[in-house]
Amino acid sequence: DVKVTQSSRYLVKRTGEKVFLECVQDMDHENMFWYRQDPGLGLRLIYFSYDVKMKEKGDIPEGYSVSREKKERFSLILESASTNQTSMYLCASSLKLSYTFGSGTRLTVV
Amino acid sequence: AQKITQTQPGMFVQEKEAVTLDCTYDTSDPSYGLFWYKQPSSGEMIFLIYQGSYDQQNATEGRYSLNFQKARKSANLVISASQLGDSAMYFCAMRELSSQGGSEKLVFGKGTKLTVNP
Repeated sequence: DVKVTQSSRYLVKRTGEKVFLECVQDMDHENMFWYRQDPGLGLRLIYFSYDVKMKEKGDIPEGYSVSREKKERFSLILESASTNQTSMYLCASSLKLSYTFGSGTRLTVV
Repeated sequence: AQKITQTQPGMFVQEKEAVTLDCTYDTSDPSYGLFWYKQPSSGEMIFLIYQGSYDQQNATEGRYSLNFQKARKSANLVISASQLGDSAMYFCAMRELSSQGGSEKLVFGKGTKLTVNP
């Protein structure tokens, strides 16, 4: 089975900190995604990547950036964390019609 | 404009009864796909069922079936014989091409919280 591993289950960061959320997949999936999930809003796409060093903005990219230096790893970066970025962050990878999600990182910005 | 609309924030059903969760979508692409995922309180996203836009028959997977009405742009999930373990959030999602054409992505609805009562 494909595994998508998010490095942290829970994170607490201070306002203004630079935050890195890491995601690693153990299969040869081309596509990787970062979503944030908030109650009543569902999953909203932040950024996605279809190849190494290739990225596209999703629906809510403001305040975020991403890095994909290796095929298996996709990092989400909060350049200067703010309290409105407190949320659950889900990483996913896909190959054709098969999408696999990580367990999520619950980020709290105080 | 929302591409995936789930109009039911919450639904209740009695154990062993059937329930329909609504999903409508908006796309001008003739080739697309629709997914349903289940997210229990543990947070994992569990794939349930997939329907491609060119599929002739409605998709079925065990107790899950998809009522696909292309002209109405709806893809409702039907769960038969509900079980207590079906209590969870349910998300409808659509596969679409990215605007730059480099990849495909999943766009999600806001979800429906299903509660199965004993």
